[in-house]
Formats: sequence, C-alpha cells, structure tokens
Amino acid sequence: DAMVIQNPRYQVTQFGKPVTLSCSQTLNHNVMYWYQQKSSQAPKLLFHYYDKDFNNEADTPDNFQSRRPNTSFCFLDIRSPGLGDAAMYLCATKAGQGATEAFFGQGTRLTVV
Amino acid sequence: QQPVQSPQAVILREGEDAVINCSSSKALYSVHWYRQKHGEAPVFLMILLKGGEQKGHEKISASFNEKKQQSSLYLTASQLSYSGTYFCGTDQNSGAGSYQLTFGKGTKLSVIP
Repeated sequence: DAMVIQNPRYQVTQFGKPVTLSCSQTLNHNVMYWYQQKSSQAPKLLFHYYDKDFNNEADTPDNFQSRRPNTSFCFLDIRSPGLGDAAMYLCATKAGQGATEAFFGQGTRLTVV
Repeated sequence: QQPVQSPQAVILREGEDAVINCSSSKALYSVHWYRQKHGEAPVFLMILLKGGEQKGHEKISASFNEKKQQSSLYLTASQLSYSGTYFCGTDQNSGAGSYQLTFGKGTKLSVIP
C-alpha cells in the first residue's frame, strides 16, 4: 500500500501559470520534504517541515512556496513556472526522532510549455 | 552541505564487486544510502549512525567512518537488478532534531551480462 502519495504523477503547465503539487502520507511522520530532481542529477532539497515548523533552503527560489495544513498533507506551489522549473518533484517523509529512513512518493513530473 | 560521492559512474559485469564512496567536510550524524532506477523514486537501502558501524543487506553492505566523515557502500557479486543510481544522503544535525537530509550527486551503476 502506498504510504506517500503524490498527485498528479504528471503535470503540464503553461509558462507563468501557477501550479500546485500535492503530497499526502499515511505514516503520521513529523518530517516532510520537497525535493526537485532534474535529469541525471541528485534530488535537491527545497524545503522541509518538522511538524508545522518550516525550513527553507537558502538557495530555494522565491518562486517556490509550500504549505502544510496538517500532518498528512503538504503542498508545493510554483507561482510563476519557468522552463527551468521542469523537473521531477519528490515528496518524502521521515519520523522526527533520530536517524530513520525517508519514504519517498513516486514523484510528480512537471513539464512547462 | 552536499556530500561528495565517487565514482560518478561504474560499469560492472554480473558477479563483479564495486565500492561507492561518500564523504563530507562537516561532522555527520548519520549516512543514508538509496538506490534509484530510471523514472522511479529513490528506494531506501540502509542507514548508518555515527559510531563507525557497518551494516549488511543481502550482498550490499556499508561502513561509516565517523572520524573521516566517510561512508562506503559495498556491492558484492553484482546482479543485473543492482543497476541504478546510488545516492548517499547525510544530515549534520545530532540528537533528536536530525531532519535535514541532503544528497550527493549520485553514482550511476550499470551491471551488464
């Protein structure tokens, strides 16, 4: 059974048109992550939450924002997508205490046209 | 800070062994290893905690040298299914609040018949 679910799997958006990607989890984990992964590159951490505490990576563009209304759901908003924002976006969760594994969703492949 | 992985790519014949290295310039609390196949989400392999532990997972094992801030992943008697990109993930936080997870650039492993 899928524990971290991302919707949609594939998203096509127009240049400059706001888009929202969603992630939900059934694991009740404190920590949620958003990563951007471009072709043949490492996942790049954009944000992470510890419960409602939001942590923005220093080099995450202002064009990217996130919301976590409750433990189960997390959203990634791209306010004005550019061609360079086309990528796979991965959501992951982790239990908050100590060193535990991260569980990844299947990702959302974003195409900007 | 992103950990450094080496080599960037390796090609093996079935049955051969490989070592993938991961290092950091900062003190590490734990090291995570993941494997990602093309178009799929990363899959967890193992976590190592500071203290110099070594772990095994079938024919895949890893070590963590806390003093050197290094971890190595050992793949023995490789199988075709081992093909993929291997990422190490690190966090520099200690104690209960370790939740930032940053990945290296990955090592692409190709196993051929």
